[in-house]
Amino acid sequence: DTAVSQTPKYLVTQMGNDKSIKCEQNLGHDTMYWYKQDSKKFLKIMFSYNNKELIINETVPNRFSPKSPDKAHLNLHINSLELGDSAVYFCASSQPDLGAFFGQGTRLTVV
Amino acid sequence: GNSVTQMEGPVTLSEEAFLTINCTYTATGYPSLFWYVQYPGEGLQLLLKATKADDKGSNKGFEATYRKETTSFHLEKGSVQVSDSAVYFCALTVNTNAGKSTFGDGTTLTVKP
Repeated sequence: DTAVSQTPKYLVTQMGNDKSIKCEQNLGHDTMYWYKQDSKKFLKIMFSYNNKELIINETVPNRFSPKSPDKAHLNLHINSLELGDSAVYFCASSQPDLGAFFGQGTRLTVV
Repeated sequence: GNSVTQMEGPVTLSEEAFLTINCTYTATGYPSLFWYVQYPGEGLQLLLKATKADDKGSNKGFEATYRKETTSFHLEKGSVQVSDSAVYFCALTVNTNAGKSTFGDGTTLTVKP
């Protein structure tokens, strides 16, 4: 059983399109996150939700909108995609002191 | 604020060499410390952790000791294998910060046969 699963794994799309990435965790964790990893492997937190409530919103363009329908799901919708949005996006979940559990990543390529 | 500084890479070693990847941190509050590993094409996996001073985390031959006096959590392995080639991330969390993890920039390790 996959603890944190995100879909799709690969996403190739044209500039200006709108796309969504879905994430689900079956670990019963209260907190879920979206991270962006650039080509140099730097990880940057984008959003954090705790029990469906947004608790962290880093400096991210408002074209990015997270949505958490329940504690086990945190989806990411991106409007008007730009070339600079190309990256690997990771979903993760955690409980205090347990560390974070990451999904396999979604490689987004905007052309 | 919280920050993690880890040794810049890339690091290239021969098989069976000794590995050290340095990690130091600053934190408001009392952090828990973690090392994650990312194999090519995969997500990050928790490698080991330590939640209080002088604790030693260990897994798969890797070790790191929480040193509060030097604010460090250096990763070590006595004898690396080709399969250890990956990107290693040091991270911390402080419970007062909603469990948010602060990551270092990652260190790429390549082990050659």
